[in-house]
Formats: sequence, C-alpha cells, structure tokens
Amino acid sequence: AQTVTQSQPEMSVQEAETVTLSCTYDTSESNYYLFWYKQPPSRQMILVIRQEAYKQQNATENRFSVNFQKAAKSFSLKISDSQLGDTAMYFCAFMRGTGANNLFFGTGTRLTVIP
Amino acid sequence: DTGVSQNPRHKITKRGQNVTFRCDPISEHNRLYWYRQTLGQGPEFLTYFQNEAQLEKSRLLSDRFSAERPKGSFSTLEIQRTEQGDSAMYLCASSPRRGVDNSPLHFGNGTRLTVT
Repeated sequence: AQTVTQSQPEMSVQEAETVTLSCTYDTSESNYYLFWYKQPPSRQMILVIRQEAYKQQNATENRFSVNFQKAAKSFSLKISDSQLGDTAMYFCAFMRGTGANNLFFGTGTRLTVIP
Repeated sequence: DTGVSQNPRHKITKRGQNVTFRCDPISEHNRLYWYRQTLGQGPEFLTYFQNEAQLEKSRLLSDRFSAERPKGSFSTLEIQRTEQGDSAMYLCASSPRRGVDNSPLHFGNGTRLTVT
C-alpha cells in the first residue's frame, strides 16, 4: 500500500518570498511518479509539477521546483517569488508506475501568501 | 480541450434520498476516475474506468454507491439512501491511456453534496 504524508497543515509566506512544502511517502514500488497539485478556493485541482522516480534530476516549472530524495522518500515543493495567486491547498500525490494511473493523495497543506 | 465537466455543482438532499452525479471527461481520455473529498482532507479514490469497463473499486465504495460509464464517454455516480456521512465533494478526473504522455489526472470542479 502507498501512503503520502504532509506534516504541515498550514503555512504562510510573504509575497515575493520563498516557501517549501514538505511531503514524504512510503511505497514498495520501484517505479512510480510523484506530483504536486494545487487546489485554489475555486476547488479545481490543477497540476503544479511532476517527477518521475527514475529521474535523478529534480523537476522545475518556472517558480516551482522539487527536492526529490528517493532514498529518504521525500518530495518537497519549493515556491519561489511567491505570488498572491499561489494561495491554495497543495496536495502531494503518488502514482504507481504500472497499471491504473490512480493517484494517492496526502492530506494537503494550506498555503497563504501574505501581501 | 474543454476540460472535465461535472454536474451539478451543488446538490442538497435529504437523508434517505437517492442522488446521481454526472461527469463528462476530456473527449480523448479513455480513463475516468471518481474521488471523494471531505473538508480539510485530500481526495480519496472511489473507482476507475478504462473505457466502459470499471476496473477498480475502493473499499470506500459501499453497496449504496454505483458508478457507470455505459459508452465509454460520460460517467454517472449514484448514491442510494444517502446518509449524512456522504456529505462531501465528489471529484471526477480523466486521463489518456498510460503511455501517452504518462499524463496525470485532469480534474473537474466537483459536485458538492450536502445531506441534511
């Protein structure tokens, strides 16, 4: 079974500053994918960034980057130059490498960007 | 790409009534998922379709819940004899078959169910 743990229920950051959201996971799979999804107050989940477990290089998408530590089963999200529009719930999610591409989610971190 | 569409956006029902939700996935996506999300929690997997075949069901999907995808396009989720514990946001997501971009799921806006 896969579990995803987000230990920070809430975080805040000043506009233009950098914030890091933590995520750990547990799995016996060797091939898998990890994702960060954003859920703004409008409630639609939006993909932020994804990481293939077989890639050593950390994924980056503009202001968003991850620190993927496979041995430690850690997958943190760094948001640089935080903007007011980054205010949302952030969910870390795990997908097995084979079979149904179903997602297993953590409990989320509520991020507030303060003007 | 018009996105994943879910209807209705909100549903209020009395305990014991039946409700049905609809999900229209992105047209070229053959995989469709239903999730349930309660307040302050992450989405929990309910069931998954590949085309019209329901391939996986969570233990969360009690016998009061049934999902269909009759023609491999839209899907319906029905809850019979609703209970207050069924109050949640029901999310639908779709994706192309694995191997095509290994695309993650695209989510709809959800249907918020309130059982009174």
